[in-house]
Amino acid sequence: NAGVTQTPKFRILKIGQSMTLQCTQDMNHNYMYWYRQDPGMGLKLIYYSVGAGITDKGEVPNGYNVSRSTTEDFPLRLELAAPSQTSVYFCASSYGGRGSNTEAFFGQGTRLTVV
Amino acid sequence: QKEVEQNSGPLSVPEGAIASLNCTYSDRGSQSFFWYRQYSGKSPELIMSIYSNGDKEDGRFTAQLNKASQYVSLLIRDSQPSDSATYLCAVGSQGNLIFGKGTKLSVKP
Repeated sequence: NAGVTQTPKFRILKIGQSMTLQCTQDMNHNYMYWYRQDPGMGLKLIYYSVGAGITDKGEVPNGYNVSRSTTEDFPLRLELAAPSQTSVYFCASSYGGRGSNTEAFFGQGTRLTVV
Repeated sequence: QKEVEQNSGPLSVPEGAIASLNCTYSDRGSQSFFWYRQYSGKSPELIMSIYSNGDKEDGRFTAQLNKASQYVSLLIRDSQPSDSATYLCAVGSQGNLIFGKGTKLSVKP
């Protein structure tokens, strides 16, 4: 059972480049999330989605875009990468029944460095 | 801005003692509450969820929720060195799932 799968695990980008972080889940979860975690810090919510076709901004959305065309996939797009986007990125998903968050499960993370 | 606050620690306890971790949140509409454990370099792992006021026990872990005080806590009984990690409190409402900065716990043998 795969759970939440993120790719790539590591990436180095040059300033101004773009990339897409992939996230897919096979648990038929409604809710999906993207977080970033800077060294020694907690998780900051970038974007989240409560179902296919629905996305919403979290705490730190600037510089990122998302889409949710299917239940399974929730890619995160970085346009014009900046050093401030150097971080570890986590994708997560949860069932989200009755309009409430249920337990979220995390992918392995993507360690991104912008130089 | 919805906020979740935790003491960053580090919290140091001797092996076999009770570790007490606390969390407060700002959004009164929050409906679900979670504790995650994160080892260095790893992704967060769910250890407890709680949805209604009171206590919920699972093995050595007890989560406590007081919605009136907007307060969530986690007790770890008989702490083990393997419990040494960062503990993250998370609060959910209508899809939005916000994490605190985490409390680093160190259990000394």
